[in-house]
Amino acid sequence: AQSVTQLGSHVSVSEGALVLLRCNYSSSVPPYLFWYVQYPNQGLQLLLKYTTGATLVKGINGFEAEFKKSETSFHLTKPSAHMSDAAEYFCAVRYSGGYQKVTFGTGTKLQVIP
Amino acid sequence: SAVISQKPSRDICQRGTSLTIQCQVDSQVTMMFWYRQQPGQSLTLIATANQGSEATYESGFVIDKFPISRPNLTFSTLTVSNMSPEDSSIYLCSVFTPNTQPGGNNEQFFGPGTRLTVL
Repeated sequence: AQSVTQLGSHVSVSEGALVLLRCNYSSSVPPYLFWYVQYPNQGLQLLLKYTTGATLVKGINGFEAEFKKSETSFHLTKPSAHMSDAAEYFCAVRYSGGYQKVTFGTGTKLQVIP
Repeated sequence: SAVISQKPSRDICQRGTSLTIQCQVDSQVTMMFWYRQQPGQSLTLIATANQGSEATYESGFVIDKFPISRPNLTFSTLTVSNMSPEDSSIYLCSVFTPNTQPGGNNEQFFGPGTRLTVL
């Protein structure tokens, strides 16, 4: 079975500060890992994904995440928060290969303080 | 990529009625997925819909409550039947990128969602 845990349902950072959103997963096989962003009243948008290869993945809007197998983590970071980053972020995992079911974390709401 | 549209974008319904949500994709896809996002919660998969076969429902969801149609490779509907306030959620349609072989590096896309409020 696969599962995702996001630590912290709400995270507040000051504008210009580092953003760190935590995600830990469990999977019995090599996983594919994803971060999605959901702006208010909008659908989900893929930020970045890890499938194979380089463990440091760069996504849109300056976000990146690092797959650490030893820590079963896939934390999302951004060096400098912008007001437009305020949204809800979801980590997700699925088994590698094929049309497999995706399991989502409970989400982290990011607040950016001016 | 895939562009997904949903109708309606939002609705307010009375208890005991039913609502059918439509999902249209701009390209042919093998599998379509319906998710529910209850207020303040994450996404939960309701069912997987393949064209030409019955939908596969996840634990806790049944066909009588959430009948799904998949008449062709670009369209699906989800009906929320005999609604109660607990059905108030955002319902999202999702697909994997088209023309991707099983075992490949698939990417998942989501529609904008249908925000349902049941009074």
